[in-house]
Amino acid sequence: QSALTQPRSVSGSPGQSVTISCTGTSSDVGTYNYLSWYQQHPGQAPKLIIFDVSQRPSGVPDRFSASKSGNAASLTISGLLAEDEAEYYCCSYTGTDVYVVFGGGTKLTVL
Amino acid sequence: QVQLVASGGGVVQPGRSLRLSCAASGFIFSTYAMHWVRQAPGKGLEWVAAISFDGSTETYVDSVKGRFIVSRDNSKNTLHLQMNSLRVEETAVYFCARSTPRSIAAFDLWGLGTMVTVSS
Repeated sequence: QSALTQPRSVSGSPGQSVTISCTGTSSDVGTYNYLSWYQQHPGQAPKLIIFDVSQRPSGVPDRFSASKSGNAASLTISGLLAEDEAEYYCCSYTGTDVYVVFGGGTKLTVL
Repeated sequence: QVQLVASGGGVVQPGRSLRLSCAASGFIFSTYAMHWVRQAPGKGLEWVAAISFDGSTETYVDSVKGRFIVSRDNSKNTLHLQMNSLRVEETAVYFCARSTPRSIAAFDLWGLGTMVTVSS
């Protein structure tokens, strides 16, 4: 099972919106709606910000939204804040013994 | 306080073994599936292993099958990862993570991680 494909980096200015893409295959992203996104600040553990394609856990601001189409998913962060600067990972269920596969991560820089 | 605290990391020679532990508190540990996820220095996340809420089912990434064993002691609210025949490329921070009950494949609580360095 190969890792999902994400851009290495994206950037945006405070107040703007950015979108991070995540591309998988018909065996993972394309088949299952169990797509999650994680935010990780340096030296910290990842934090769940989206599950099941577009659901936000309690406490996650609605500035974070996500969707999926076919084998690709995306995370959009609107109204960028300095604190949003972090690494973002997508993750998909695979339906196999390899339970989930992660993307390579995208570094978001808030200019 | 709802938390996971991983421990047991350290420096080990290639081919040797190490046992990681993850202590859970603040929630009913015995009702959640649990996972281990690792992150090599400067790299991304890699799922390693999972165990069902009652310990009856285990699953592993292909690269660790036959060498790693995930287990749990629900009476002590503890998750373990026995790592045998360790390889240099398995140097990483190892996180324990809890499956959210709201999805079959999302992790809503993570420990801080414990560093494993495999080096001669």
